[in-house]
Amino acid sequence: QVQLVQSGPEVKQPGASVKVSCEASGYTFTDYGITWVRQAPGQGLEWMGWMSTYNDNTNYARKVQGRVTMTTDTSTSTAYMELRSLTSDDTAVYYCAVGIVGGTSFFDNWGQGTRVTVSS
Amino acid sequence: DIVMTQSPDSLAVPLGERATISCKSSQSVLYSSNYKNYLAWYQQKPGQAPKLLIYWASARDSGVPDRFSGSGSGTDFTLTISSLQAEDVAVYFCQQYYTTPYSFGQGTKLEIK
Repeated sequence: QVQLVQSGPEVKQPGASVKVSCEASGYTFTDYGITWVRQAPGQGLEWMGWMSTYNDNTNYARKVQGRVTMTTDTSTSTAYMELRSLTSDDTAVYYCAVGIVGGTSFFDNWGQGTRVTVSS
Repeated sequence: DIVMTQSPDSLAVPLGERATISCKSSQSVLYSSNYKNYLAWYQQKPGQAPKLLIYWASARDSGVPDRFSGSGSGTDFTLTISSLQAEDVAVYFCQQYYTTPYSFGQGTKLEIK
């Protein structure tokens, strides 16, 4: 079955960077793009963007454009999301997601989430 | 950008009764070339990742109980749980995937009355 396993929680100081990983299994990694969604404490879901695992195309949300880089390592079926110049507003649980049915549109498989805390 | 607005923000329904959640989009998410509404619904329980329930506004994902149904078109959508079960206590989100940036509603918290 499809599994997405994310890296562990992170605590970062303001201005630092964080890199979250998402290891995929149970399907052909390059067949489906990876999407990243975050959820601030007690808040809703925010789409951050997606990356093609086939040709490295990306589509980032304007809110994080310029601070985010999404990459993949096809040799290990792992996707990465790096966010730079962190502020307290970036404190959130970060999810990777894949749409086996929906492609990069809607998501039937999610990672367990990675909590990122930005605090001095 | 498309703004998704859900109502109500919270809802308490007796066990076995019907629960209805509304989702409105700031512009139509109906794609005229294929007559599909680019709208999904998710369920999120505390401490868990969201779970896909409905896509294309009314198609149930595999394994989703048939008490969950989605309806609507254009800008107005509804998620209905026909007979509320204890395990349905969760926050429910709608999502448009008509155009990027994809966007979610703010969520509706569903509880047992």
